Amino acid sequence: GAVVSQHPSRVICKSGTSVKIECRSLDFQATTMFWYRQFPKQSLMLMATSNEGSKATYEQGVEKDKFLINHASLTLSTLTVTSAHPEDSSFYICSASGDNYYEQYFGPGTRLTVT
Amino acid sequence: AQSVTQLDSQVPVFEEAPVELRCNYSSSVSVYLFWYVQYPNQGLQLLLKYLSGSTLVKGINGFEAEFNKSQTSFHLRKPSVHISDTAEYFCAVSLKTSYDKVIFGPGTSLSVIP
Repeated sequence: GAVVSQHPSRVICKSGTSVKIECRSLDFQATTMFWYRQFPKQSLMLMATSNEGSKATYEQGVEKDKFLINHASLTLSTLTVTSAHPEDSSFYICSASGDNYYEQYFGPGTRLTVT
Repeated sequence: AQSVTQLDSQVPVFEEAPVELRCNYSSSVSVYLFWYVQYPNQGLQLLLKYLSGSTLVKGINGFEAEFNKSQTSFHLRKPSVHISDTAEYFCAVSLKTSYDKVIFGPGTSLSVIP
């Protein structure tokens, strides 16, 4: 149990376009979903936390208007990178938790490359 | 605020040898502790967690960790490693309060040498 999927696994887009990444909890209801960014050989950096039906809480330094997060249901959250630039290229990972916020289940990640 | 330190950024070890990956944390309140493993281009997989009770925690793939409150440590150990254990390992901590976030350490890259 506790499976989280992400789609797409890899995406290449042109500079200036927008990209949407989906995160789904397949076999449980995710009260909270988290979005992380990971640079090569580095740890995970929390970007934002979202609760179903509420606005996401962004970490300091993360642009809300650039990284749009929607958590419309208990099984789906989306991250939209708007007007992407090469510096947005990264590995984006989502995680989901149920009643226990600290027990996070991670998706397989999405590799975004902006050309 | 809590923080997590993983002193060893890279640990090479020969196959079938034992390994210990070190993790220290700082926090003024009680915490939950976790170890995750990440294989290349994949998400994180939970190896084990300490929530309460016995300080020796056993996880998947033969790993175990011991919580030491006085030393604020949560070192990960395996008595005999396999090639397939080559991966990135992250220690993480969370406060025992609601709606707080999990803080990840910088990671330790374990390389198992045949």
